[in-house]
Formats: sequence, structure tokens, C-alpha cells
Amino acid sequence: NAGVMQNPRHLVRRRGQEARLRCSPMKGHSHVYWYRQLPEEGLKFMVYLQKENIIDESGMPKERFSAEFPKEGPSILRIQQVVRGDSAAYFCASSPGQGLSTGELFFGEGSRLTVL
Amino acid sequence: AQSVTQPDIHITVSEGASLELRCNYSYGATPYLFWYVQSPGQGLQLLLKYFSGDTLVQGIKGFEAEFKRSQSSFNLRKPSVHWSDAAEYFCAVGLYGGATNKLIFGTGTLLAVQP
Repeated sequence: NAGVMQNPRHLVRRRGQEARLRCSPMKGHSHVYWYRQLPEEGLKFMVYLQKENIIDESGMPKERFSAEFPKEGPSILRIQQVVRGDSAAYFCASSPGQGLSTGELFFGEGSRLTVL
Repeated sequence: AQSVTQPDIHITVSEGASLELRCNYSYGATPYLFWYVQSPGQGLQLLLKYFSGDTLVQGIKGFEAEFKRSQSSFNLRKPSVHWSDAAEYFCAVGLYGGATNKLIFGTGTLLAVQP
């Protein structure tokens, strides 16, 4: 039973380029979350998605960042025109449902973005 | 606003010694609390969680945590630390309701284990 799969594990981009990070949730999980971890900081919530719907994007920067979770395929976190401050580890998590009964999130190993 | 505070950024203990990692939360209702561990270059693994009931919860790898409402704390403990416990530990509070379904994390405590 594969866990949450993220790719690429490491991504290097130059300023102004686009970064696309992919996340395949655990089998049977329909809820996906993206978190960002900056050096010396904890994980910061970015966005919560279900299939074809963005449920909560309160943690997403207003510009350049977008996320989707299509009916088919992985969830994508897209960062346009990257800047050095976007360098971070981006973690995806999934859960089988919402709320207390399924409170645990299962995390992937992260995608580490470096912007030169 | 809901928040989690982990006052210790780094802790070093000797192998075999006991361990306590502190976590304080700010939340208006009954909190749902978690401890996760992150090994270098890895994702987060759940150690234990508290939703309700017994305030002392047991987790994996010999860890336990005690929920103390009066102190707004959820400290993580282990009676005897192993070298393989060296990692970063994150406390989190779960927010649920309506469209909200997320964890708020503390900034983490990095644990080093001396031989």
C-alpha cells in the first residue's frame, strides 16, 4: 500500500521560471493538503483540496501560487515566476475524509525547491 | 487565533536518559492534538494523537503525551531515549468545522542524542 507520493523530490529553478510539484495521495484518500516548510520554521498550511474542488486556500499566497486536484491524476502545486523566497520544502498530505473521524494526515516525503 | 508553541528549539539528551518535549497550544474549544516526527530529508510520521478520553495517550516508538487542559499543554515524553530518536518533533492542533480541516503546527524541536 503505497504512501503519499511526491515528485520531484528535488527541483532547481532559476528566478522567473515555473515550478510544478505533484502529489499522489494514498489509495482511497480523496483529501489533499499542501504545506510549506521554510528553514527554521514549522509547516505552514497552504491549501486543502478535494477532487476538483479547492476547499480552503487561506494559506496560499495571493499571487503566483495555484493548486489543483483534478478528477484524474495527481494534485499539482504550481508556482509561477519563482523568486528566491520560494525556496522551501513543500509537503503534501492526504486523508480519507474530513474531520475528527479521520483526523490524521499522512505525509509524503516532500519536494525541495531551490530557486537560484 | 489558534496557535501552537514549542518553546525549545534544540534539545540534547544522552542516550538512555528521559525526554520531555514541551508543547503549548492556544485554542478556544476542546483541542485535537498531535505529535509528529520528521527524520532528516523525510516526511512527517504520526507519533500519537489526542481527541478525547484518557489524557495520557500512548504512541509508537515508546512515546507518550499528556494533555493538561489547565496548562494548555500537550508535552511529549519518553522514559529512555535511543540514538534513533534523533529527529525533529512537531506538535500540532487540528482545526475542524465547515470547510476547515487542517493542522496548525508548532515550529518544531530538534532533538540530538549523545552517545
